[in-house]
Amino acid sequence: EAQVTQNPRYLITVTGKKLTVTCSQNMNHEYMSWYRQDPGLGLRQIYYSMNVEVTDKGDVPEGYKVSRKEKRNFPLILESPSPNQTSLYFCASSLYSGLGTSGYNEQFFGPGTRLTVL
Amino acid sequence: KQEVTQIPAALSVPEGENLVLNCSFTDSAIYNLQWFRQDPGKGLTSLLLIQSSQREQTSGRLNASLDKSSGRSTLYIAASQPGDSATYLCAVPGAGSYQLTFGKGTKLSVIP
Repeated sequence: EAQVTQNPRYLITVTGKKLTVTCSQNMNHEYMSWYRQDPGLGLRQIYYSMNVEVTDKGDVPEGYKVSRKEKRNFPLILESPSPNQTSLYFCASSLYSGLGTSGYNEQFFGPGTRLTVL
Repeated sequence: KQEVTQIPAALSVPEGENLVLNCSFTDSAIYNLQWFRQDPGKGLTSLLLIQSSQREQTSGRLNASLDKSSGRSTLYIAASQPGDSATYLCAVPGAGSYQLTFGKGTKLSVIP
């Protein structure tokens, strides 16, 4: 089954304790991205990756790191989590980056990771 | 910077009614627009993707239109059902950008 998976689905942690949220897709997609969703603010892009070893900042990258060593995986790293990073996080992927009308760029989303930082 | 607005923020309709959800964007130089559905506490499910060269896309009871020149898209839901209750979001990539910008969504409630 074609899908985007995230782990863990739920996580409660404490301030300053490094954590990684994994994201994996089995659709051979080039483009992957991370979003956070907060009440009243909607979905905001954290980081995105156009392909292996190519990443760039989205709208709210502060406090986050990413890496893209393999095409299928795009982990989100919080080196020193703080309470303002408590949020619902989504990973997404698409076949192409979305530029150009020839690109088929439907975004597929993972089920989400609910993170609480105490 | 691309900004996306969805109006209304919430909508409540009786079952069977036809309805329209609106999405507007500030930068009309877009390549596509995508509509999603989100159930409470769940991920996003893609409903329709409209390329800039298209004006409409249809899937079952859903029809999405795109007017780039006016910076607007609409999602038309025919014969609404209680199972349609969810939050509907639209998203567009900025021109020359790999970033995707979302609206804040319209929360739809269909009353039996």
